Amino acid sequence: GNSVTQMEGPVTLSEEAFLTINCTYTATGYPSLFWYVQYPGEGLQLLLKATKADDKGSNKGFEATYRKETTSFHLEKGSVQVSDSAVYFCALTGFQKLVFGTGTRLLVSP
Amino acid sequence: DAGVIQSPRHEVTEMGQEVTLRCKPISGHDYLFWYRQTMMRGLELLIYFNNNVPIDDSGMPEDRFSAKMPNASFSTLKIQPSEPRDSAVYFCASSPEGLAGDNEQFFGPGTRLTVL
Repeated sequence: GNSVTQMEGPVTLSEEAFLTINCTYTATGYPSLFWYVQYPGEGLQLLLKATKADDKGSNKGFEATYRKETTSFHLEKGSVQVSDSAVYFCALTGFQKLVFGTGTRLLVSP
Repeated sequence: DAGVIQSPRHEVTEMGQEVTLRCKPISGHDYLFWYRQTMMRGLELLIYFNNNVPIDDSGMPEDRFSAKMPNASFSTLKIQPSEPRDSAVYFCASSPEGLAGDNEQFFGPGTRLTVL
């Protein structure tokens, strides 16, 4: 079935560092791919999405490109801020379900 | 728009008691989802509704769990009897469209359930 694999956390960075959180997927067909973010004490919020191969989703300085050849959707940001500290979830749609990865916690220190 | 509303935000109960979690979706959204989040299993879809009708409840862990949606603006998730392993954060989400394509789901703040 469809599944998502994310890199283990926590990822600890200093402010203004470059961020990469890896996400790979297994899916039948052509799913849409998402990154959701969960701030402390809150529900998940959509961060960005891509619906077909080679699409790039972007929002708030974050980017991810839908790579069909490597079945990946890695999240990147050029310069992280303390306010980016949160848990990031990679997800995909398929067979009428939204399948989430296990989440990667990001901690950004001043 | 107030977003998805869940109540209570925190619930502490004793094993064997009945627990009812409540959700009010965003007005106009036709789909409603219940998720459970734990450290061990991550985020799991329990059940979802379309136009108040349950479509897929294959994620409901066992008969102790039940969910209803009596109208477009209200849903409940009930656990009876509750057990310590039910301790988790339960999220409700709604969507104006289904899970196919690029449709966004809007999550509530969650209910943190602790069963002693």
